[in-house]
Amino acid sequence: QVQLQESGPGLVKPSQTLSLTCTVSGGSISSGGYYWSWIRQHPGKGLEWIGYIYYSGSTYYNPSLKSRVTISVDTSKNQFSLKLSSVTAADTAVYYCAKGDSYGPYWYFDLWGRGTLVTVSS
Amino acid sequence: DIQLTQSPSFLSASVGDRVTITCRASQGISSYLAWYQQKPGKAPKLLIYAASTLQSGVPSRFSGSGSGTEFTLTISSLQPEDFATYYCQQLNSYPFTFGPGTKVDIK
Repeated sequence: QVQLQESGPGLVKPSQTLSLTCTVSGGSISSGGYYWSWIRQHPGKGLEWIGYIYYSGSTYYNPSLKSRVTISVDTSKNQFSLKLSSVTAADTAVYYCAKGDSYGPYWYFDLWGRGTLVTVSS
Repeated sequence: DIQLTQSPSFLSASVGDRVTITCRASQGISSYLAWYQQKPGKAPKLLIYAASTLQSGVPSRFSGSGSGTEFTLTISSLQPEDFATYYCQQLNSYPFTFGPGTKVDIK
């Protein structure tokens, strides 16, 4: 069965770029029809959808983060990645990768990674 | 952005209780709503999508209803493993947004 696993540094300095990778196992990221997403959760708070990438490379980013976010895909490694530039303490959060699917016009996120805590601190 | 509110934000209930959580959207979202369950230290788990469609493998004691701006998640008979935080999410328009959550605790 398909599984997702986030990886990357747990500590990033202010003003630097946060970089995370999500490895998809048990299935091909290129199989199509899925929207590979990043979602974050500030400590003790709610969930914020960051954006997605389709296997073809098309993307959509949350406007609140759009100027700082890049999501990319590496089909040869079955991975997709998140880069968030110019980070501040407000970007400290648990970052999840998730698989977006749909039934007809109805979207949902049916598979999530375990999440990785990224702390922004000097 | 479409704003979602949830009520209550916290509820205390006993095993066997019927529990209802409400999610309201700031504008109509048809049936483009999902519900998730999150336990401490874990990722959210999809329970329901399209407002009322039960995700495969989710117990039938969970049900969802509503359309437009008001939605409910009902747990017909609360089980020990159901104590968690529940979030609604709208998928009608970008950016997809989540409600603030409802924590269900043991009475």
